[in-house]
This record gives sequence, structure tokens and C-alpha cells, in this order.
Amino acid sequence: DAKTTQPPSMDCAEGRAANLPCNHSTISGNEYVYWYRQIHSQGPQYIIHGLKNNETNEMASLIITEDRKSSTLILPHATLRDTAVYYCITSYGNKLVFGAGTILRVKS
Amino acid sequence: SQTIHQWPATLVQPVGSPLSLECTVEGTSNPNLYWYRQAAGRGLQLLFYSVGIGQISSEVPQNLSASRPQDRQFILSSKKLLLSDSGFYLCAWRPGSRETQYFGPGTRLLVL
Repeated sequence: DAKTTQPPSMDCAEGRAANLPCNHSTISGNEYVYWYRQIHSQGPQYIIHGLKNNETNEMASLIITEDRKSSTLILPHATLRDTAVYYCITSYGNKLVFGAGTILRVKS
Repeated sequence: SQTIHQWPATLVQPVGSPLSLECTVEGTSNPNLYWYRQAAGRGLQLLFYSVGIGQISSEVPQNLSASRPQDRQFILSSKKLLLSDSGFYLCAWRPGSRETQYFGPGTRLLVL
């Protein structure tokens, strides 16, 4: 079973920041937090991952709380092409357990 | 750069027929390889993973098998397909020394 909890859906206005929350209260000390997204009919796309520190790349930022029990994925300027299912996963990397994810709908 | 290929992209097969799906990775050596399945409207389920040639770990009992005949080739097979084998099959790879998995484009299988 997935070890993360995400809201089933969220809406975001185009051009605004999308903040996607994830709870992972049972995360162990050496598990990473991964974020993937899946656009309809495509394979999942890796977005970002982190262990303890906040991370940023060209796609998004990942904010991990100090106790590591929750995190937030931030898409700074959402576009219509960011509409997808976003998955938050905690793992050592070898086995990814996907939950239901959050359906993000970006609207114009 | 690394690239992952899957074929075919779509497949329609009758119940009871055999199955062979192929996944290959370019631009890397000794990757970890994975097969996932996604049923319609559901999340991804890990089916098999391999850390090297001939080494296969099965995550769930099922009608499918996997093989890794070459370092960068991973094959998913079945002797007799069931209706419940329909779904979106995804291959993924992970550099042995790093954490992140990268997914291929997937094969959509419909068993009739």
C-alpha cells in the first residue's frame, strides 16, 4: 500500500503557483520523497526528489517539513500543460509504490 | 543521454494467446529495470524488477513472467492471456548508483 496521502484533486489558475501537499507521516530516515506526474496516456514523468533539504529544479520546488512528515510540490507558474495526475512517493528508490495521486487541473 | 524504448505501443490480443512485450534502454550499463502495470483508472503496480542479467524479482503472483536476457533488455511475457491482463504496461529503469527511476512510453494492451 502507498504510504502517502494526497488530496484527490485540485484546481489552479493558469499562471499562478500550484501547491500540491503530501503527508508521509511514517517515512523512515533513509527514504526519499519523490514526485512524478502522469499526463493522460503517457508514462510517468519524474519531477523532483529530496531527502531532507528543500530542492529546486527547472520544473518545480520541493519543500519538506523539518520532521519530514509532509511535503509540498510547488509549480511556480502553472500552465495548461501541467494538467496531470501528480504522485508523491516515499522510497529508497528501488521500489516505487504509487497511490492514487492528485489530479491537478490548470484552468485558463 | 539515456533513452528507454518500449514496443509495441498498442496491442490487441485474444484471450488465451501468448504475449511478449519488450523494453530496451540505451546509453547506460547495468541499470535496474522494472515492469509496472496500470489498470484503467488505477495507479501503477510494480510487477517485476531486475538488478542484473537473469535476475528477476516478482512482486505479485500472476499470469505473467519476466526475463532479462541482456543487460539493457527486459521482456514481459505470458503463455496465455486473461481478460484481466488488459492494461497499460510501463517499463522503467534506474541507474544502479542513483535513486531515480525513469519511465518509458508504455504499451497499451487490450485482451478481448
